[in-house]
Amino acid sequence: KQEVTQIPAALSVPEGENLVLNCSFTDSAIYNLQWFRQDPGKGLTSLLLIQSSQREQTSGRLNASLDKSSGRSTLYIAASQPGDSATYLCAVDRNAGGTSYGKLTFGQGTILTVHP
Amino acid sequence: GAGVSQTPSNKVTEKGKYVELRCDPISGHTALYWYRQSLGQGPEFLIYFQGTGAADDSGLPNDRFFAVRPEGSVSTLKIQRTERGDSAVYLCASSRLRGLSYNEQFFGPGTRLTVL
Repeated sequence: KQEVTQIPAALSVPEGENLVLNCSFTDSAIYNLQWFRQDPGKGLTSLLLIQSSQREQTSGRLNASLDKSSGRSTLYIAASQPGDSATYLCAVDRNAGGTSYGKLTFGQGTILTVHP
Repeated sequence: GAGVSQTPSNKVTEKGKYVELRCDPISGHTALYWYRQSLGQGPEFLIYFQGTGAADDSGLPNDRFFAVRPEGSVSTLKIQRTERGDSAVYLCASSRLRGLSYNEQFFGPGTRLTVL
């Protein structure tokens, strides 16, 4: 059974810092990995999707890397801003014979606070 | 283009009552997913539809939970004889036909269910 762990559970940083959020998974047979952002009382916003054959994806100040063999992904946020404050979740989609299995397994999330 | 929509946004009911939660996916998305998120946790998979049929309902906790998608678009999650432990945020997501888009899932805002 796939298990996804996110470290740290919570992180508080001053504005402007670069930071790294970690995600690890126990079964390397994944189809893709997605990073999401969740604001309090809201749904999930997709940030980045990394296919299992890729090593990294970038969007603006965000960069996500994937090391499938070691079961790890990191989300790098450059020059953090107070508006980045949210819960960040990673989720993996199992590989079913070369296609998506269809259901995501989530970590518990990292609560990020960026203070001015 | 509209995103995934869910109604109602909040539902308060009494123990033992029946509730229905509705999800309207992104137009053209054939896959639809239901997840449940308890406070401080990541979402947990409930059921996945590919078209009109349930491709995987292994996450439904018991037979009080049932979901339908009769025309391959809107889905309804039905909970009978609600219990206080059913209180959570119910999230719906949709994605394009798998194999064509690496199955990136897009989430709705969720329905917060409170069972008194």
